[in-house]
Amino acid sequence: LAKTTQPISMDSYEGQEVNITCSHNNIATNDYITWYQQFPSQGPRFIIQGYKTKVTNEVASLFIPADRKSSTLSLPRVSLSDTAVYYCLGGNTGFQKLVFGTGTRLLVSP
Amino acid sequence: EPEVTQTPSHQVTQMGQEVILRCVPISNHLYFYWYRQILGQKVEFLVSFYNNEISEKSEIFDDQFSVERPDGSNFTLKIRSTKLEDSAMYFCASSLGSQRLSYEQYFGPGTRLTVT
Repeated sequence: LAKTTQPISMDSYEGQEVNITCSHNNIATNDYITWYQQFPSQGPRFIIQGYKTKVTNEVASLFIPADRKSSTLSLPRVSLSDTAVYYCLGGNTGFQKLVFGTGTRLLVSP
Repeated sequence: EPEVTQTPSHQVTQMGQEVILRCVPISNHLYFYWYRQILGQKVEFLVSFYNNEISEKSEIFDDQFSVERPDGSNFTLKIRSTKLEDSAMYFCASSLGSQRLSYEQYFGPGTRLTVT
């Protein structure tokens, strides 16, 4: 499983775009990068997953450059309800254990 | 949208007592997991379960812990003799697994276990 590093916390304001970067220098060839979101007292929730280039869904975009040593989660026009902890994880199958780090605590203010 | 459910939402027990935490995974999922999160700390993997047996377990999952799928829908975590340090939020998760190259695990809302 790829070891990931991401900022401990970030602050933003409503309506802004937020980009959270994760570094994963030792990512393996068959590893995917996956992001989860966790609100206080709730279970983590899958946001997005990618292998390389750009992936977009209704919630976020994920940018992974060609060398795959980092990735950026982009949240367009955040709202107060996007205040949560965001986790970047690496791995290569759908049935392995998830290894969570400390994540990035995003605080969105009015 | 299908979801993982867990009961109870909060369990208070005395040290040394047995507790059973219950989960109903998403019906067509094949892989089941338990994680825990001590207040203010990381989410930690406990155990994964597939085809009626444990696939992998962490160091935390010692002889005091056991898991069972007693019927076609429930997935349970039993702690035989609870300790103060078992106080945590326990999350059940499930995934479709198989050949799908996805890391998408679906988590339940959690059971807050308080050991006094």
